[in-house]
Amino acid sequence: DVKVTQSSRYLVKRTGEKVFLECVQDMDHENMFWYRQDPGLGLRLIYFSYDVKMKEKGDIPEGYSVSREKKERFSLILESASTNQTSMYLCASNRQNSPLHFGNGTRLTVT
Amino acid sequence: AQSVTQPDIHITVSEGASLELRCNYSYGATPYLFWYVQSPGQGLQLLLKYFSGDTLVQGIKGFEAEFKRSQSSFNLRKPSVHWSDAAEYFCAAETPGTYKYIFGTGTRLKVLA
Repeated sequence: DVKVTQSSRYLVKRTGEKVFLECVQDMDHENMFWYRQDPGLGLRLIYFSYDVKMKEKGDIPEGYSVSREKKERFSLILESASTNQTSMYLCASNRQNSPLHFGNGTRLTVT
Repeated sequence: AQSVTQPDIHITVSEGASLELRCNYSYGATPYLFWYVQSPGQGLQLLLKYFSGDTLVQGIKGFEAEFKRSQSSFNLRKPSVHWSDAAEYFCAAETPGTYKYIFGTGTRLKVLA
């Protein structure tokens, strides 16, 4: 079974802090994704990566950056956390033309 | 613009009753279609997928979905709901060969004992 592991289930950070969310997958998938999930808005794509060191902006990239130095690891970075970035963050991975596999999510609270 | 619509925000059914969750999509060409389920505090788990071929798709946990091109729909069904099916269900679509998935806003299912 594919495993997508997000390093933290819950995080509480202060406004202005730099925040790192880590995601690791163990199935050698080319593609990795970061989504944000908010009630009533569904899942919105922040960034995705289709190869090491390659990235593309999704629908809501503002205030976020990403890093993919190794194929199995995809990091989401909040350069200066703000309260409107309080949300559930979901990492996913797949091969092209196959379904997404999701991690269990990181619930981030910014105070 | 491409979109995926789940018209029902909440649905309540009794245990043992049948279930149908609605999903409509708006795409230029037929997308790949998926249903995912999310239990509280968890990530999304794939229930089933449609890429092409047979329009009735079987999934895990006794779920099935039917693709209807004429109605741009991909509704999820289960003949007899169990209390453990209480969760949030998401329909999603992907333009084939791209990385662009669009998710519906979800339907939260409550099951009465």
